[in-house]
This record gives sequence, structure tokens and C-alpha cells, in this order.
Amino acid sequence: DTEVTQTPKHLVMGMTNKKSLKCEQHMGHRAMYWYKQKAKKPPELMFVYSYEKLSINESVPSRFSPECPNSSLLNLHLHALQPEDSALYLCASSQDLRNSGANVLTFGAGSRLTVL
Amino acid sequence: AQSVTQPDIHITVSEGASLELRCNYSYGATPYLFWYVQSPGQGLQLLLKYFSGDTLVQGIKGFEAEFKRSQSSFNLRKPSVHWSDAAEYFCAVKGRRALTFGSGTRLQVQP
Repeated sequence: DTEVTQTPKHLVMGMTNKKSLKCEQHMGHRAMYWYKQKAKKPPELMFVYSYEKLSINESVPSRFSPECPNSSLLNLHLHALQPEDSALYLCASSQDLRNSGANVLTFGAGSRLTVL
Repeated sequence: AQSVTQPDIHITVSEGASLELRCNYSYGATPYLFWYVQSPGQGLQLLLKYFSGDTLVQGIKGFEAEFKRSQSSFNLRKPSVHWSDAAEYFCAVKGRRALTFGSGTRLQVQP
């Protein structure tokens, strides 16, 4: 299995809702990432997990709460979002965080979030 | 800090014509460089990567890229473009803080 699976593909939520995005990989990767991509922009790094521990938080607002319950799963919990948070949320994984030639990020298809 | 510049926001080529997408990077050490492609509303697919060794790297779908350290460039090329190549192309450099992407180049293919 060489895929990163993200669910749901589409999510519409109100500003008072609580929802979660899920990401799963079965490649044995120990680093997992959340990126946010606005329309016609490049992906921007949000969070990085390494061996189930949060390694990087790119000053993301607390209304986004990541969770890595095990080495295969990565969640992004959403609460009290704003309309400007509407974007494509991409999950990725890599072997680990070593800066080596083996460490290629594999991306999921993304979850498109619309906040009303 | 690492950074990537893609100077061309939008490129239009005719089907069958050759293609070159430009990428310049800034990174203090030996860079790990990538090209990804993204179709509308989709995730990112890896086209090719450069880590070391031969500066001309081959990728999927007939793409290749050449690493030129003296010019800090990693340009993507394809000798003959197909209509299905229409997409957004991102160059990226991997450093300490995961991948940093360029702003992307949107490729349109004319029949």
C-alpha cells in the first residue's frame, strides 16, 4: 500500500461546528504532515509529527488541533473556524524526518473544507 | 532559510510542443529538490526528485529535470507535451522544516 488516504473528501461546516479531518497511511512512515492550500496558492506547512509526537507547529491558530493517535493515523480537529479557513487540507507522510534522499513526501488527495 | 522561486505563473503551449518550467532555489546546503504536479482539486503527485549524483533526473510521464548548482536552478522539461499534462506544477526544496514549495506554474495546453 503506497497511498495516503484522507477523509472526508469534502466538508462543509458552520463557524460553531466541531469536525475532524482524518488521514491514514500504511507505508510504515513515522513522519506525518498537515498542509493547508488556498486556491491558486502553494501548500503551506501547518504541523509535522514525528514518531507520534508533534515536532513542528507553524504558529497555527488553536482552532486547529492536530492529533496523532498512532503511527498510521493523523487527525486534524476543527473548532470555531472562520470563513477564511476554507481551503484544501493536504496530509502527507514520509519515512521519517531525517533530511536524506530516502525521505520523499507522499501526499493524500486532500480534504476540501468550506466554512460558512 | 530555504526558498523556491518559480518565475512563470502561467504558461501556454501547443500540444506536441516542448516544455520547460523554471525553478530557482535558495538553500545553504546540498538541496533535495522535487517537482510535483497537481490537477484541479487533487493532491500532489511526485514527478521526480534530485538528491545527488547525475544532475539530469528522469521522472514519470516523460518529464526530466536538470540540476544546475551554479545557477541554483532545477528546471523541468518535457520534449512533447500532451493535453493531459495541463495542471499546476510545483517545485519544492526539502530542508530542515519539511518541504517548501514555490508559488507554482499553471500549464495550459492548446490543441
